[in-house]
Amino acid sequence: GIQVEQSPPDLILQEGANSTLRCNFSDSVNNLQWFHQNPWGQLINLFYIPSGTKQNGRLSATTVATERYSLLYISSSQTTDSGVYFCAVDISGNTPLVFGKGTRLSVIA
Amino acid sequence: GAGVSQSPSNKVTEKGKDVELRCDPISGHTALYWYRQSLGQGLEFLIYFQGNSAPDKSGLPSDRFSAERTGGSVSTLTIQRTQQEDSAVYLCASSTPTGGATYGYTFGSGTRLTVV
Repeated sequence: GIQVEQSPPDLILQEGANSTLRCNFSDSVNNLQWFHQNPWGQLINLFYIPSGTKQNGRLSATTVATERYSLLYISSSQTTDSGVYFCAVDISGNTPLVFGKGTRLSVIA
Repeated sequence: GAGVSQSPSNKVTEKGKDVELRCDPISGHTALYWYRQSLGQGLEFLIYFQGNSAPDKSGLPSDRFSAERTGGSVSTLTIQRTQQEDSAVYLCASSTPTGGATYGYTFGSGTRLTVV
């Protein structure tokens, strides 16, 4: 099946710093999503982005489908950005999302 | 409803007992997914429903696990004869009819299952 690799596995940032999280995938995808899992365990859908670039406030994401990777940018990080960021992909509309192992982000004041 | 609702939020059960976990998806979402997350781990796919049928149940770890969905809405995940290794957070998600092709998945808050 499709493989999803995320890097780095762990990241510690000073509040106000910027960061880039990466997701590599092993096959062509139909769907790619970025999720944030907060410290209480809730998974929040950040972006649906199988290709192109999207921005939402301090967060933006870019997927280069032909090169099989996606990047999540966090600018001016805040302590509330802490948690685990997951990338997930599927290869068709009739298959479930396959998740990477996540990047654990800690933003310290 | 406005979001995906899961119940109970927490469940502690004795080893060997059966448990039922419930998921109420977003109204109009025909696709429904169950995942499991062990402590500090990623999400492990269990089963996927399109309407009331399950085209992919490849992730169910053993025959002690089963799931059904009725009326194209509520789904129940049943674990029989629970074992300690079943302890995890069970997450449910739903998506638009095309399997998430437009808006993606929306997850519930999960059921934390502890088998003692």
